[in-house]
Amino acid sequence: NAGVTQTPKFQVLKTGQSMTLQCAQDMNHEYMSWYRQDPGMGLRLIHYSVGAGITDQGEVPNGYNVSRSTTEDFPLRLLSAAPSQTSVYFCASSSSWFAEAFFGQGTRLTVV
Amino acid sequence: GENVEQHPSTLSVQEGDSAVIKCTYSDSASNYFPWYKQELGKRPQLIIDIRSNVGEKKDQRIAVTLNKTAKHFSLHITETQPEDSAVYFCAAGYSGNTPLVFGKGTRLSVIA
Repeated sequence: NAGVTQTPKFQVLKTGQSMTLQCAQDMNHEYMSWYRQDPGMGLRLIHYSVGAGITDQGEVPNGYNVSRSTTEDFPLRLLSAAPSQTSVYFCASSSSWFAEAFFGQGTRLTVV
Repeated sequence: GENVEQHPSTLSVQEGDSAVIKCTYSDSASNYFPWYKQELGKRPQLIIDIRSNVGEKKDQRIAVTLNKTAKHFSLHITETQPEDSAVYFCAAGYSGNTPLVFGKGTRLSVIA
């Protein structure tokens, strides 16, 4: 029972590089979201999706892209990494927006 | 949009004492209020939730209360133990099309 799986767990990027954070869930959840966690800032919403082919922006979307081609996968792309994107990133999935959200194990990203 | 304020940001209690964390929300349409616990280096996990048709909910040593008129809800942990030490997040959601909005978190330290 994998739940929500994120890869990689750690990543170091140079400024200007691009990369994709992977997120996959095996619970057949339609609702998925990406958050970033910074000290003292809580969990801030980057992008979210309510089903395959449907995505929308959250509170802090600049510098990130998402796509949802399947129910299972919801990758987050950093287009041109900046030091301000140094953070811990969490993917979450749920059966609805008012049901338990299951989080992945997180990706600790450092941009130098 | 919804805004969730959480207090205090840090809380230290002696083992065996009670801990209370409070949250307020802004959108009167919100009707789902979960609490998540995040241990150091781990993912957030749901510990208890409450919906707007209920005023209080208990699960062993933890309880949540909701005051819809005042738009605030609280987490109560009794007989605290060292393993309760973690960051706790409150959140609010409603039956719209957007994900949960989280508070900034409370770091609880239980001193043995």
